[in-house]
Amino acid sequence: KQEVTQIPAALSVPEGENLVLNCSFTDSAIYNLQWFRQDPGKGLTSLLLIQSSQREQTSGRLNASLDKSSGRSTLYIAASQPGDSATYLCAGSSGYSTLTFGKGTMLLVSP
Amino acid sequence: KAGVTQTPRYLIKTRGQQVTLSCSPISGHRSVSWYQQTPGQGLQFLFEYFSETQRNKGNFPGRFSGRQFSNSRSEMNVSTLELGDSALYLCASSPRTGGHDNEQFFGPGTRLTVL
Repeated sequence: KQEVTQIPAALSVPEGENLVLNCSFTDSAIYNLQWFRQDPGKGLTSLLLIQSSQREQTSGRLNASLDKSSGRSTLYIAASQPGDSATYLCAGSSGYSTLTFGKGTMLLVSP
Repeated sequence: KAGVTQTPRYLIKTRGQQVTLSCSPISGHRSVSWYQQTPGQGLQFLFEYFSETQRNKGNFPGRFSGRQFSNSRSEMNVSTLELGDSALYLCASSPRTGGHDNEQFFGPGTRLTVL
């Protein structure tokens, strides 16, 4: 059974800092890994999808990496802004559309 | 292209009642999945429908059921509501082109409160 862990559970940084969010998973046979953002009381916004054959994906100030052999993924956020404040969730796909989620990292970027 | 829509957005029910939630996927998407989000358990997979057939099911009691229509719209039903069913219910759609690399797109969710 796939288990996904995210560290840290919460993170507070000043605006402008570069930061890394960590995600680990127990079953290396994942098909892909997806990072999401969730604002309070809202749905999930997809940030990046890394397929199992890929090592990383980039979108603007975001870069996500995937290392299946070690069971780890990281989300790198460059030059953080107050608007980046949200909960970030990673999820591994065990097949087709079944995602196993971590508990998330709550990020607060202060001006 | 419109995103995933869910109705209603908020719902208040009492214990023992039943509830039906609706999800309309992104146009052209054929797979619809449902998730329950609670502060204690986080996001948990309920079930997935593809071409009107349930393809996967999570570890939830039989009180939770769903269906998908020919236009890919999906409904989930919870019977005999319990206090613990209070949660944000999220629906996700994906193209489901046949491979495993399908990106999931989520709706805004339905906030269910059981009193």
